[in-house]
Amino acid sequence: QQQVKQSPQSLIVQKGGIPIINCAYENTAFDYFPWYQQFPGKGPALLIAIRPDVSEKKEGRFTISFNKSAKQFSLHIMDSQPGDSATYFCAAGPETGGGNKLTFGTGTQLKVEL
Amino acid sequence: GAVVSQHPSWVICKSGTSVKIECRSLDFQATTMFWYRQFPKQSLMLMATSNEGSKATYEQGVEKDKFLINHASLTLSTLTVTSAHPEDSSFYICSARKDLGNIQYFGAGTRLSVL
Repeated sequence: QQQVKQSPQSLIVQKGGIPIINCAYENTAFDYFPWYQQFPGKGPALLIAIRPDVSEKKEGRFTISFNKSAKQFSLHIMDSQPGDSATYFCAAGPETGGGNKLTFGTGTQLKVEL
Repeated sequence: GAVVSQHPSWVICKSGTSVKIECRSLDFQATTMFWYRQFPKQSLMLMATSNEGSKATYEQGVEKDKFLINHASLTLSTLTVTSAHPEDSSFYICSARKDLGNIQYFGAGTRLSVL
């Protein structure tokens, strides 16, 4: 009930392409879904987060799509750039309570080629 | 902003010694901080939840006597790896929770190498 499954494990796109990373969760008590970006040797940085009362959220070139009935959410990166090459983690957890713990996906290594 | 500082960024120690890692929230108060461990090209594994003024809550399988956590103030949590061994070599990352929601802000991580 606590797993968050993330796919694909790795992804290569051309500059300007739109990589899509998918996550699925099991625990229906989860109501907070952030995405983190991590560069090698650095800590994760919060990119964007969504709550289940909306189906889509955009911040700059990053968009989260959320499907509550399917318990799935995805990250789209518009007009991807080589600087977006990093590892992306989805996460899920309760907004409040539950120790405020986040369960992380297994990560997706994205490479954006020129 | 929400800046979390972690120190040191890299430490090498001899087997059997103890190492202390600090995690500070620089521009906000954090009643809750989290400690994670990350192996190369793998996900973040939660080790423990650190609450200011109380004992840390450890995840199943994490040795509390080996990984000592202290959260003495609203801006500082420390993780001490006691009697470190080569298998403790890893990337340790802290995060701090801001406000009452679940937003976690991460430090830059500490790479521990035990010789």
